[in-house]
Amino acid sequence: AQSVTQLDSHVSVSEGTPVLLRCNYSSSYSPSLFWYVQHPNKGLQLLLKYTSAATLVKGINGFEAEFKKSETSFHLTKPSAHMSDAAEYFCVVSVLSGGTSYGKLTFGQGTILTVHP
Amino acid sequence: EAQVTQNPRYLITVTGKKLTVTCSQNMNHEYMSWYRQDPGLGLRQIYYSMNVEVTDKGDVPEGYKVSRKEKRNFPLILESPSPNQTSLYFCASSLQDGSYGYTFGSGTRLTVV
Repeated sequence: AQSVTQLDSHVSVSEGTPVLLRCNYSSSYSPSLFWYVQHPNKGLQLLLKYTSAATLVKGINGFEAEFKKSETSFHLTKPSAHMSDAAEYFCVVSVLSGGTSYGKLTFGQGTILTVHP
Repeated sequence: EAQVTQNPRYLITVTGKKLTVTCSQNMNHEYMSWYRQDPGLGLRQIYYSMNVEVTDKGDVPEGYKVSRKEKRNFPLILESPSPNQTSLYFCASSLQDGSYGYTFGSGTRLTVV
């Protein structure tokens, strides 16, 4: 079974300060991991993905994440928050077995990021 | 423009009245899936399809049906909707193994009264 835990349901930062959104995963096999962002009343947009290549993954809008197998973590970071970053963020794991995806996605429960002026 | 299109965006219906939410993608993706999003629960997978005529249950399939007769379309069918199916629904597609990320539709907000 696969699972994803986002350790904070809400994170609040000031504009210009660093952002850290934490995600731990559980998987019996090598996972693919993703971060998605959802702005209010919008669909989900892919921020970045890890698929067994480089462990430090760079995404859009200055976000990056590091895959740490020993810690089963995939935390999302950004050096300097912008007001436009205020949204809900989802960590997602894709089920893999024997190198073939079974197509099941497991979402974390989401972290709401608030950015203060 | 590469996209996943869901219709309708908003739907209010009554208990027991069959409805279909359509999903179409123009990227020639093999994989398509449906999710529901509820406050505090994140997104949960309802059904997915690895290719035409190949579908399988996700985590919350009860009360839903799907079909995949064509590669581009993956409709979600509620034969007898109930109020506990009131939710925000998303369709997504990707290349077959999903490892390159998933493209999501804009969502369908369904209310069952």
